[in-house]
Amino acid sequence: GQQLNQSPQSMFIQEGEDVSMNCTSSSIFNTWLWYKQDPGEGPVLLIALYKAGELTSNGRLTAQFGITRKDSFLNISASIPSDVGIYFCAGQLDEAGGTSYGKLTFGQGTILTVHP
Amino acid sequence: ETGVTQSPTHLIKTRGQQVTLRCSSQSGHNTVSWYQQALGQGPQFIFQYYREEENGRGNFPPRFSGLQFPNYSSELNVNALELDDSALYLCASSLGWSEQFFGPGTRLTVL
Repeated sequence: GQQLNQSPQSMFIQEGEDVSMNCTSSSIFNTWLWYKQDPGEGPVLLIALYKAGELTSNGRLTAQFGITRKDSFLNISASIPSDVGIYFCAGQLDEAGGTSYGKLTFGQGTILTVHP
Repeated sequence: ETGVTQSPTHLIKTRGQQVTLRCSSQSGHNTVSWYQQALGQGPQFIFQYYREEENGRGNFPPRFSGLQFPNYSSELNVNALELDDSALYLCASSLGWSEQFFGPGTRLTVL
């Protein structure tokens, strides 16, 4: 099935460093979401973006909705050991009367490892 | 406020068997979406239920079916299980097409 192109696939960083990951698509989306998934758990919503160009923060996390509506990035500042996990971007195209019915299309994930 | 719950947590089946997975949506949510997540991959959309009707389906065969009940809880049924059906099955609830919140998943192993 269709997936978004998410990069990098994995990152190994030292505690305190900043992290940046991004997601690109050949299709436009109306909403971009970023989730974090720990092993054996379901994805947890971190940030939701609703408008092209929007920049939103949630604590140490900052995400932006690309102007073209085909990309998004997530930054994590001053990483800590509990940031370890898999980060997924997801796009949603929720057209009124359309056929997309709000399904989420996910990237392949970025595996983040933080060394103390 | 109760979050999304799923049962069972783990399940082992053999090829050809049938399985039913269950999901209780978050309080106040009326829409349930099901996703299949293979190891090392992002979740793939299976289908969505809104007000007890299937509201859309991804690229999955008809042996994947579902139900939504009046209390908005949902079931995912898979018939004639195949080895490739081994995956983490995730349920997400939302209010219409708003943000989707995921449950912990059911890990299905098909032998």
